[in-house]
Amino acid sequence: QKEVEQDPGPLSVPEGAIVSLNCTYSNSAFQYFMWYRQYSRKGPELLMYTYSSGNKEDGRFTAQVDKSSKYISLFIRDSQPSDSATYLCAMGYYGNNRLAFGKGNQVVVIP
Amino acid sequence: DTGVSQDPRHKITKRGQNVTFRCDPISEHNRLYWYRQTLGQGPEFLTYFQNEAQLEKSRLLSDRFSAERPKGSFSTLEIQRTEQGDSAMYLCASSLQGSTEAFFGQGTRLTVV
Repeated sequence: QKEVEQDPGPLSVPEGAIVSLNCTYSNSAFQYFMWYRQYSRKGPELLMYTYSSGNKEDGRFTAQVDKSSKYISLFIRDSQPSDSATYLCAMGYYGNNRLAFGKGNQVVVIP
Repeated sequence: DTGVSQDPRHKITKRGQNVTFRCDPISEHNRLYWYRQTLGQGPEFLTYFQNEAQLEKSRLLSDRFSAERPKGSFSTLEIQRTEQGDSAMYLCASSLQGSTEAFFGQGTRLTVV
């Protein structure tokens, strides 16, 4: 079992819809959780990070962590065509210097 | 430009040749990471530096791979005797000590033919 599972299936939504993405993980040592956005042929760009269970909002983006279920989510409200990208979840813990990434979800927002 | 810079952006090489990539981290960041990303996958950790010291290497980093950060600033990643399976995007990231936020460069896309 991989440490981080993210269903890589592409997701197409109409402009203005809510995009919902999620990852599960098996390593209970993970202490911080991130979402990266990656445009085609570019490096990942840090979108949001959180350390605790609960919700964190930043504009149209909400990150949600449920440590008891080992489940994290990213919601994008009022999606825009410029949100079309691959979204990667990533996790790490103090004392370990690497991030473990999911496979990424390709999101297409249709105008 | 205050971001992580990688050079070259693209490299095409013949199987068996050696290649070297360079990464310039954000200037005040003392931690530097190398990751590899293949098509349809997330980045996979290769190695990590704190200042000039290489503190961790993944088992993915075979003997043909070597990384250096001689003065604690820029880093190089060399692949010797390249194989077709080395074709991937090589990503560099940097962070401040004590921070969990890692910032990535644009990557070097390697194609081995």
